[in-house]
Amino acid sequence: GAVVSQHPSWVICKSGTSVKIECRSLDFQATTMFWYRQFPKQSLMLMATSNEGSKATYEQGVEKDKFLINHASLTLSTLTVTSAHPEDSSFYICSASRAGGDYNEQFFGPGTRLTVL
Amino acid sequence: GQNIDQPTEMTATEGAIVQINCTYQTSGFNGLFWYQQHAGEAPTFLSYNVLDGLEEKGRFSSFLSRSKGYSYLLLKELQMKDSASYLCAVLDSNYQLIWGAGTKLIIKP
Repeated sequence: GAVVSQHPSWVICKSGTSVKIECRSLDFQATTMFWYRQFPKQSLMLMATSNEGSKATYEQGVEKDKFLINHASLTLSTLTVTSAHPEDSSFYICSASRAGGDYNEQFFGPGTRLTVL
Repeated sequence: GQNIDQPTEMTATEGAIVQINCTYQTSGFNGLFWYQQHAGEAPTFLSYNVLDGLEEKGRFSSFLSRSKGYSYLLLKELQMKDSASYLCAVLDSNYQLIWGAGTKLIIKP
């Protein structure tokens, strides 16, 4: 199968601190990884798309200096929420597309629940 | 603008059949996905349609009509574990996934 993991699965932090979330494709190489945010009872909102070795493409309204994305290898992408505030509390989900595979399918990680106090 | 509509919530009885509709208006079309999402978890892939017609996969079937901008997900022999949100998503001309808000399905015994 195509398994994507995220770490941590949940995190609680104080306002003003930075939080790093890792997204790994465990058994395949992911040329493209996507970061989503989901607020309660709302749909997934794409934050950014990252390709290995290049800068991430951010969606309109998403602050690139606040949400730092690094896609250092074909199996790892990280999202760092800098100077987190309570309004950043949300469910963050990553997904990955497989290199050489069907571009249509995204494989999702289990998500990271961030709570900023 | 791009828009995907699906009912907010539906209720059905265990063992019955339920159809969840999705209509879309997007800039281009490269396929439609259905995902299942349990509360507090990430979405899991259910189906992908790019051609008109019905795709059957076990208890779940998905239908697409591109001319009508319409799809439905059909769930048969409902089980309590099918209680979840069902997300409709369309791949547009830029190969971006446009997500619907999801339909919360409540299964009653």
